[in-house]
Amino acid sequence: QVQLVESGGGVVQPGRSLRLSCAASGYNFNNYGMHWVRQAPGKGLEWVAVIWYDGSNQYYADSVKGRFTVSRDNSKNMVYLQLKSLRAEDTAIYYCARSGGLHLVNWGQGTQVTVSS
Amino acid sequence: DIQMTQSPSTLSASVGDRVTITCRASQTISSYLAWFQQKPGKAPKLLIYRASSLESGVPSRFSGSGSGTEFTLTISSLQPDDFATYYCQQYDSYPWSFGQGTKLEIK
Repeated sequence: QVQLVESGGGVVQPGRSLRLSCAASGYNFNNYGMHWVRQAPGKGLEWVAVIWYDGSNQYYADSVKGRFTVSRDNSKNMVYLQLKSLRAEDTAIYYCARSGGLHLVNWGQGTQVTVSS
Repeated sequence: DIQMTQSPSTLSASVGDRVTITCRASQTISSYLAWFQQKPGKAPKLLIYRASSLESGVPSRFSGSGSGTEFTLTISSLQPDDFATYYCQQYDSYPWSFGQGTKLEIK
C-alpha cells in the first residue's frame, strides 16, 4: 500500500533553514506529482507547493514563494522541501501528499516544524 | 488566486442526522473540488474528488455535489466516527487552496 513518511522537522531559530524529506513507497513514484501541505497549530490546511512527476515544474503558495524550494529524486523515491528564511508563522505540521491524477490522494503523517528563538 | 469559503464553521448534530456543508469558490473551478475529513492528530483523509466521486473505501453515506462555484458535502446519516473537521479544496488552478474547515460536533 502507499506509504509516505516525512522527516526532518524540528525547532529552528527565525531566519534559519531546514530541509524536510518525504520517503514514498508502495506505488510507481515516477508517475505522480507530489505536494506539501501545512497546518499551523489549531488552524486549517494550507497548500504549500507541488512538484510534477518528472520535476519539470514547481508551483508555490504566495506565502512561501522565494523562500521554499521543492525538489525530488526519482531514483530514491524521495521528495524534499527546503525551507529558508524561516519565520514564526511557518510553524506548522508539514505533510507530503501524493497526486492521484489531479487531486490529492495519500498523505503522510506529517513532521512538526517550530520556528522559535 | 481562488478563495474557498465553507459554511458553517461549526455544526452541531446528532447521530442519525443528515448534515450538509457548503463550499463556495471565488471563481469558477468546474468540478475540480475535493473534500477531506480530518480527526485530531491525524492526517486528512480524502472523501470525495471531482466534486461528486466517492473515494474507494469511503462509506456511501458521504456524497458530494455541485459545479462551478458552489458545492456541498452531505452525510446522509451521521455515525459516531463522522465527528471530525471537514475541508473542501480546489485543484482547478495553482495556487491550490482549502476552505477554512467545518468542525462537526456532537450535539
